[in-house]
Amino acid sequence: DAGVIQSPRHEVTEMGQEVTLRCKPISGHNSLFWYRQTMMRGLELLIYFNNNVPIDDSGMPEDRFSAKMPNASFSTLKIQPSEPRDSAVYFCASSPGQGSGYTFGSGTRLTVV
Amino acid sequence: AQSVTQLDSHVSVSEGTPVLLRCNYSSSYSPSLFWYVQHPNKGLQLLLKYTSAATLVKGINGFEAEFKKSETSFHLTKPSAHMSDAAEYFCGIGSSNTGKLIFGQGTTLQVKP
Repeated sequence: DAGVIQSPRHEVTEMGQEVTLRCKPISGHNSLFWYRQTMMRGLELLIYFNNNVPIDDSGMPEDRFSAKMPNASFSTLKIQPSEPRDSAVYFCASSPGQGSGYTFGSGTRLTVV
Repeated sequence: AQSVTQLDSHVSVSEGTPVLLRCNYSSSYSPSLFWYVQHPNKGLQLLLKYTSAATLVKGINGFEAEFKKSETSFHLTKPSAHMSDAAEYFCGIGSSNTGKLIFGQGTTLQVKP
């Protein structure tokens, strides 16, 4: 089991550019979560999916952020246009079911200059 | 709504002395509770979880936590700290209804030689 795989590990982009973060959950896990981690705000849940369907996106900061899960093995988090305040580490996590353990990826460190 | 509060943002102990990291929760129904550890520039690793079985939960690396419903607490303990325990620790609460997992603000554990 390769765990939750995120790409890229690091991303540096200029303000105004589109950024796409990718996540491959553990096979068989039916829940997927996107988190953002910053020093100021800690770990924030942005959005989560059950069986590829977005359940709660109330944590998405604004319309510049969007997330998709076209199938059970892939999800993307897109920021368009990106801003310096979006700089953070973005984590993806997956879970086999409600109340079960959650496995995290290694994260994508995003820097917007 | 569910929430967790980590009562200390920073804890400092000497190597070989006990560790206590405090977490209180709020939930209108029986929660699942988790402790995760994050070493610098790494992802989150599950230490232990409580899912309505035994109230005393043993995890990896000698950590354990006790679920106390009367005190709405889930404090993390370890009898003897090692230098390698220095990290950020997150308490999380999961919803058995939705599968949603949210975290406290984190506690930085410093271990002095």
